[in-house]
Amino acid sequence: DTGVSQDPRHKITKRGQNVTFRCDPISEHNRLYWYRQTLGQGPEFLTYFQNEAQLEKSRLLSDRFSAERPKGSFSTLEIQRTEQGDSAMYLCASSLLHTSGGNTGELFFGEGSRLTVL
Amino acid sequence: RKEVEQDPGPFNVPEGATVAFNCTYSNSASQSFFWYRQDCRKEPKLLMSVYSSGNEDGRFTAQLNRASQYISLLIRDSKLSDSATYLCVVIISNFGNEKLTFGTGTRLTIIP
Repeated sequence: DTGVSQDPRHKITKRGQNVTFRCDPISEHNRLYWYRQTLGQGPEFLTYFQNEAQLEKSRLLSDRFSAERPKGSFSTLEIQRTEQGDSAMYLCASSLLHTSGGNTGELFFGEGSRLTVL
Repeated sequence: RKEVEQDPGPFNVPEGATVAFNCTYSNSASQSFFWYRQDCRKEPKLLMSVYSSGNEDGRFTAQLNRASQYISLLIRDSKLSDSATYLCVVIISNFGNEKLTFGTGTRLTIIP
């Protein structure tokens, strides 16, 4: 399967613990996005990378959240000192930005990592 | 005001009917627009792009109204398999940075 993969698919943790999610994008894709989605809401932008550079972070992303994409391939999203409000589905998506410019707008999403904070 | 707004529904529509929903955006600098579909407990997938001239893909028609800052999606001859949440996406580009913002989604249920 050459789609976007995320790990773990489910994570249950106690409040105050740290969690880390991993995303492996489609191999030739240079852009990688993290979104958060709660029930009944659309995906909420967190951050995105072009290659290894983190180009934008949402104001919603508190200092407890950090994302990396060290070699421009896979990415990790870490949440420190988790809170119950962090419970959500964390979606990763990748896309290919052509050198000719422009984003096709087609994001390929992984199946998500569901976080439950008790 | 949210950057991208949609009526969350639910829209309960009989099979074979035509249904339309809109999505409004607040930033006039928005450049590109898309409709995504998300099935229950699944990830979003691109349904179609929205071009300035409007575009059609089978039973689906998407239109853009820049003056009023909204996009629309029309589904004709609806099928049971059209039941899903429809998310609009707006791209704002700013000095090479692009931000893709999703609406909250409109839930559609097609009733047999």
